[in-house]
Amino acid sequence: GDSVTQMEGPVTLSEEAFLTINCTYTATGYPSLFWYVQYPGEGLQLLLKATKADDKGSNKGFEATYRKETTSFHLEKGSVQVSDSAVYFCALSRDDKIIFGKGTRLHILP
Amino acid sequence: NAGVMQNPRHLVRRRGQEARLRCSPMKGHSHVYWYRQLPEEGLKFMVYLQKENIIDESGMPKERFSAEFPKEGPSILRIQQVVRGDSAAYFCASSLGTGVTETQYFGPGTRLLVL
Repeated sequence: GDSVTQMEGPVTLSEEAFLTINCTYTATGYPSLFWYVQYPGEGLQLLLKATKADDKGSNKGFEATYRKETTSFHLEKGSVQVSDSAVYFCALSRDDKIIFGKGTRLHILP
Repeated sequence: NAGVMQNPRHLVRRRGQEARLRCSPMKGHSHVYWYRQLPEEGLKFMVYLQKENIIDESGMPKERFSAEFPKEGPSILRIQQVVRGDSAAYFCASSLGTGVTETQYFGPGTRLLVL
């Protein structure tokens, strides 16, 4: 069945460092791909999405490109801030449900 | 425009009691989804509803769990005779339409603790 695999955390970086969180997926057809972010004690917020191959989603300095050839949707940010500390979930849509990865916890040190 | 609202935010129940979780979708959204998040895990799909109809309940446990989305009022996820393994965060999401390109917007969740 469809699935999403993302790098395990926690990931700890210093402020202004470059961030990459790897995500690969297994799916039939052409799902939409998403990154959601969950701040402590809160629900999930949509960070960015891409609906077809080679699309780039971007928001708040974060970017991810839908790579069909490598079935990947890696999340990147050029310079992280302490406020980016959260859990990040990679996900795909299948029919009417969203399938999530297990999440990657990110800690940014000042 | 208010987002997806869930209540209560925290719920404590003893084993054997019933838990009722409520979800009000975003204004104009008629599609509601429930997900469960176990500790240190991602979210798992439970059920998808439209007004007065269950569309997909493939992720719902066969026993003790039920969901509804009446014509008027919020969607309700009901767990009867709760057990400790039901302790989790339950998230509701809503969308304007349906399909792989449609975005689901999530509520803040209800954190259920079963003692």
